[in-house]
Amino acid sequence: DIVMTQSPDSLAVSLGERATINCKSSQSVLYSSNNKNYLAWYQQKPGQPPKLLISWASTRESGVPDRFSGSGSGTDFTLTISSLQAEDVAVYYCQQYYSSPPQYTFGQGTKLDIK
Amino acid sequence: QVQLVESGGGLVKPGGSLRLSCAASGFTFSDYYMSWIRQAPGKGLEWISYISSSSTYTNYVDSVKGRFTISRDNAKSSLYLQMNSLRAEDTAVYYCASSPMAAAPFDYWGQGALVIVSS
Repeated sequence: DIVMTQSPDSLAVSLGERATINCKSSQSVLYSSNNKNYLAWYQQKPGQPPKLLISWASTRESGVPDRFSGSGSGTDFTLTISSLQAEDVAVYYCQQYYSSPPQYTFGQGTKLDIK
Repeated sequence: QVQLVESGGGLVKPGGSLRLSCAASGFTFSDYYMSWIRQAPGKGLEWISYISSSSTYTNYVDSVKGRFTISRDNAKSSLYLQMNSLRAEDTAVYYCASSPMAAAPFDYWGQGALVIVSS
């Protein structure tokens, strides 16, 4: 199974500042035939289900503010919030969907708070 | 708009059984792969099972293999999870989620159904 490891486990950032969350996979999730990274980022607010923010490592979903961006390739990925807003307080998860047959795995989550 | 609504959660004794349902609307259910994902209290997300659009393929995480069975009824736009031989560690909120194909992220999620396994 592909193990996803996020860092840090928790993070506190001042409003308007940059927040960076890292995700590392135990093996590459880059599919060479199409040069796509099979990596997604989700945001989960208290009492709510997760919401898909970014797919294919860097493609923002419709309606997601452009302060959210994803980067990385292969085994190392980053979610960046360029200017933290109060509504961004949440737990963020990375997830790989590379495995075949599907054995989807999530990172352990990163809790983001306001400093 | 897309809606996924889980039902069937509740309190069950260890060794007992429960069947979760997920009613889908607002999209062509039969075109989508579906999964069950759970979240133990205060913990992270764990994918537990998926089923292909026509039910041809299924897969499970090792911890539920042989105990849980995923199924779907495309005519009723519904997804199911039959859970047998339940254990305390199965206590969690269970979400159903959709993806347009096997190798794709989960684009829509239900609100979740709480399953508590306790004597």
